[in-house]
Amino acid sequence: DAGVIQSPRHEVTEMGQEVTLRCKPISGHDYLFWYRQTMMRGLELLIYFNNNVPIDDSGMPEDRFSAKMPNASFSTLKIQPSEPRDSAVYFCASSPQPGPIEVNTEAFFGQGTRLTVV
Amino acid sequence: EDKVVQSPLSLVVHEGDTVTLNCSYEVTNFRSLLWYKQEKKAPTFLFMLTSSGIEKKSGRLSSILDKKELFSILNITATQTGDSAIYLCAAYNFNKFYFGSGTKLNVKP
Repeated sequence: DAGVIQSPRHEVTEMGQEVTLRCKPISGHDYLFWYRQTMMRGLELLIYFNNNVPIDDSGMPEDRFSAKMPNASFSTLKIQPSEPRDSAVYFCASSPQPGPIEVNTEAFFGQGTRLTVV
Repeated sequence: EDKVVQSPLSLVVHEGDTVTLNCSYEVTNFRSLLWYKQEKKAPTFLFMLTSSGIEKKSGRLSSILDKKELFSILNITATQTGDSAIYLCAAYNFNKFYFGSGTKLNVKP
């Protein structure tokens, strides 16, 4: 398995534009997580899904952020309209269970999307 | 409010030095404490600690959890330049992970 796949790896956009980040979880993993990482706030959980259903979106910062999981193999995180303070690295992660699993988490986290909003 | 605090925020040492990274947590229904190493990509798993006082080791790295005082430490002995990274700790409480902001370690030759 190739692990969690995110696209694009880098995104530079202008303020006000819509941004869509994509994630393909590991096949068979029922849980999918979206995280945002910044220098100031560290790694924050934005939202997570179980069997394609959003379970906890309390970390989504504003209504400008939305996430969907139309099927078990695909999820999107959308920011509309984007703002410079949204600049961060966005990680997607998947897991067969909601809790930690003691395995190499290169299979747990995707490589991230570095978003720059200018 | 549930939170995880790491210290120091950054650290510069020379090869061969020993470092201790700290992680304190206040998380309701705490279950496990995890350490990750993050280089220029996604975090990679180091340790998961669930029981207090039991040291986990992997090569030059070791970690221990104190559930009474609500903290964990990560020790790296005989540091190498390849240890340069951000070290993240996260507390898990059956509901979600709470990550600290990380300690940025720079090991100079």
